[in-house]
Amino acid sequence: EAGVTQSPTHLIKTRGQQATLRCSPISGHTSVYWYQQALGLGLQFLLWYDEGEERNRGNFPPRFSGRQFPNYSSELNVNALELEDSALYLCASSRRQSTQPQHFGDGTRLSIL
Amino acid sequence: AQTVTQSQPEMSVQEAETVTLSCTYDTSESDYYLFWYKQPPSRQMILVIRQEAYKQQNATENRFSVNFQKAAKSFSLKISDSQLGDAAMYFCAYRSGRNNAGNMLTFGGGTRLMVKP
Repeated sequence: EAGVTQSPTHLIKTRGQQATLRCSPISGHTSVYWYQQALGLGLQFLLWYDEGEERNRGNFPPRFSGRQFPNYSSELNVNALELEDSALYLCASSRRQSTQPQHFGDGTRLSIL
Repeated sequence: AQTVTQSQPEMSVQEAETVTLSCTYDTSESDYYLFWYKQPPSRQMILVIRQEAYKQQNATENRFSVNFQKAAKSFSLKISDSQLGDAAMYFCAYRSGRNNAGNMLTFGGGTRLMVKP
């Protein structure tokens, strides 16, 4: 069984640009979660998508957005990039029920110059 | 809001020895799940073990076991017979059991485990 896959592995952008990160969940998983792992700030929840809809959002500004496609894959978009957006962005997937554990991908390292 | 605290930024253990990583959490809920994840330098977060709050029995997965003390809100991870491959960052995480809670994981700050040969 293929795990959660994320692309690209590393993304380099400059301030003010936009970044798009992609995630494919484990087959059979309908929920996709995005987390930010920034240096000194730990792991913080960003977004949760299930069945194509945004179900929950963490304490992040609106320039962090995303979507989930009919095949349950997901995109995270970050607009107007700032230096502090530099972080490892981790995607996780699970089955819908809250009892199911989340399984993570390898992450996308976003570097803002 | 729930919080998760890992008070040990770094721990060191000799190969084949046993080490315990600490985690405490704060919640007013009675239904929740606790997890330990491992993040090696390869970056991928790997689920090590999970515990349902309603279960009194401590979870065990091979060399990994937990000491779940619900009243004390403590959830420590014991690694027995430590191996070089156990070297990684370990994160304790909490998730509410309520259906409308949002499903997100709340993580502690992590403990870096070093294994000495």
